[in-house]
Amino acid sequence: DAGVIQSPRHEVTEMGQEVTLRCKPISGHNSLFWYRQTMMRGLELLIYFNNNVPIDDSGMPEDRFSAKMPNASFSTLKIQPSEPRDSAVYFCASSLGTQYFGPGTRLLVL
Amino acid sequence: GENVEQHPSTLSVQEGDSAVIKCTYSDSASNYFPWYKQELGKRPQLIIDIRSNVGEKKDQRIAVTLNKTAKHFSLHITETQPEDSAVYFCAASSSGGYQKVTFGTGTKLQVIP
Repeated sequence: DAGVIQSPRHEVTEMGQEVTLRCKPISGHNSLFWYRQTMMRGLELLIYFNNNVPIDDSGMPEDRFSAKMPNASFSTLKIQPSEPRDSAVYFCASSLGTQYFGPGTRLLVL
Repeated sequence: GENVEQHPSTLSVQEGDSAVIKCTYSDSASNYFPWYKQELGKRPQLIIDIRSNVGEKKDQRIAVTLNKTAKHFSLHITETQPEDSAVYFCAASSSGGYQKVTFGTGTKLQVIP
């Protein structure tokens, strides 16, 4: 198995633009997590899904952030409009009892 | 909800010495405790985990201990090597890891050659 796959690996965009991050979980895993990591705030859980259903989105910072999981093999995290303070590394992780992280997307909003 | 505290935030040791990182958790229902290692610019990777039905688990130079009564768990690294330098995160879950896992704030370990 290739592990958790995330795309893009790097994204540079301008303030106000829409950003879409993508994640393919490990096949057979039934939980998917989106995290954001910054030096100041550490590793923050944004939202997680169980069997494609959002369970806890209390970590989503504001309405500019949204996440979907249309099927068991794909999830997106969208930021619209993006702001410089959204610059961070965004990790997706999937789990069937143990969480495995993807390589992350480094987002820079200018 | 669960709260996980981790200490110290930074730790420097001489190569060959031991390193200990300690965590406490608040939810007595927590039953799964993974540890992750994150090297600079890389993803967090699971290095060892322990479930609440055991008090200690070892894997080569790494060991984790769990004290359910005190709600403490610790990571022990013996005979440290420069490649052990990284940020280590403890975590706790009340769902056996199947759902939300709460992470500590991380410990930056530096092993000095």
